[in-house]
Amino acid sequence: GDSVTQMEGPVTLSEEAFLTINCTYTATGYPSLFWYVQYPGEGLQLLLKATKADDKGSNKGFEATYRKETTSFHLEKGSVQVSDSAVYFCALSVQARRTSYDKVIFGPGTSLSVIP
Amino acid sequence: EAQVTQNPRYLITVTGKKLTVTCSQNMNHEYMSWYRQDPGLGLRQIYYSMNVEVTDKGDVPEGYKVSRKEKRNFPLILESPSPNQTSLYFCASRSEPNPGFYSYNEQFFGPGTRLTVL
Repeated sequence: GDSVTQMEGPVTLSEEAFLTINCTYTATGYPSLFWYVQYPGEGLQLLLKATKADDKGSNKGFEATYRKETTSFHLEKGSVQVSDSAVYFCALSVQARRTSYDKVIFGPGTSLSVIP
Repeated sequence: EAQVTQNPRYLITVTGKKLTVTCSQNMNHEYMSWYRQDPGLGLRQIYYSMNVEVTDKGDVPEGYKVSRKEKRNFPLILESPSPNQTSLYFCASRSEPNPGFYSYNEQFFGPGTRLTVL
């Protein structure tokens, strides 16, 4: 079935370090791909998305490229800040069976801590 | 302010005592969902609704009920809670995709409800 795999962490980085969080997926058809971020004590927020192969999503210095050939959507940021400390979820949307509803499937989340 | 609200934010209860977690959105969204978040499992969908009086099961619906009598509200009901329903619950809403071409509209999440069933 459809699924998302991502490194679970926790990941601890020093401020201004380079960040990569790996995400790979399994899906039939052509899913849209997302990264969500969850700050402590809050709900999830959409960070970026890509809807077709080779699209690059970007927001707040984060980037991810939809790679169909490797079924990947790795999240990167060139220089992390303490304020980036959060849990990051990779996700994909697929058409549900029997209806026109498109459901979102989330990965397990990667906890990131950035230390000064 | 556009938002999804949930109540209560924290709840400790005992096995078998019926409870309802409310969810309300002020964005006139058609789609609403309930998820539970457990360590190492990410978010899993419990139920979803495509509009008033239209609901369907997600991936983990056992032990839960929902209703959608008004567009803005989507309560989650646990008729007889059990300890394995101890979790962090999120309500979410988004607008229906535009007809004619595919676009996944951003999903807005509530702040979460932490439920403990003893």
